[in-house]
Amino acid sequence: DTGVSQDPRHKITKRGQNVTFRCDPISEHNRLYWYRQTLGQGPEFLTYFQNEAQLEKSRLLSDRFSAERPKGSFSTLEIQRTEQGDSAMYLCASSKTGLVEKLFFGSGTQLSVL
Amino acid sequence: AQSVAQPEDQVNVAEGNPLTVKCTYSVSGNPYLFWYVQYPNRGLQFLLKYITGDNLVKGSYGFEAEFNKSQTSFHLKKPSALVSDSALYFCAVRDPYGNKLVFGAGTILRVKS
Repeated sequence: DTGVSQDPRHKITKRGQNVTFRCDPISEHNRLYWYRQTLGQGPEFLTYFQNEAQLEKSRLLSDRFSAERPKGSFSTLEIQRTEQGDSAMYLCASSKTGLVEKLFFGSGTQLSVL
Repeated sequence: AQSVAQPEDQVNVAEGNPLTVKCTYSVSGNPYLFWYVQYPNRGLQFLLKYITGDNLVKGSYGFEAEFNKSQTSFHLKKPSALVSDSALYFCAVRDPYGNKLVFGAGTILRVKS
């Protein structure tokens, strides 16, 4: 159990550019979640996968955001045409079915849009 | 919609004293409630959860939480605080119609020696 890893730890980009983040969950976990956290707020749900299927997506998530989990292993979160309001910490978490409440979080990717 | 509120932005307590971090909830149906802790530069860590059963739930690092249905509260407690308990604490409720957690805004706990 090496934990949930996220890459990169930090990303600075210019407004209008596309960015992609990667998450590697704990190997035996079949559920994977993406959350976003801004300063002074709790994590806000974005989307989640069970294996390779994306089962839920937040209504707050604009169509500039897309997530994939090919083969049910790692996941990527892409933001197209970034805006300054996208600046946040993007958190990934994973869990096993049957223990879905206990989420294991990665350390996050801090995105700064200039 | 389900939600949790953490009324205190920050809680200060002296080492060795008991601590309480407050959380109130609003849910439809039975509440599934959680506490997570976030240390600087580290991911959130699960502390404890309430699903059903005893109103006093014991968790990691000596923490416990008391579920109170009449007051719709789920306060986090510890009998004797440590400086190393200083961190950001989040209360969360599970969406009964899905699998996501809805988090509160968080409470900073500062334990002074």
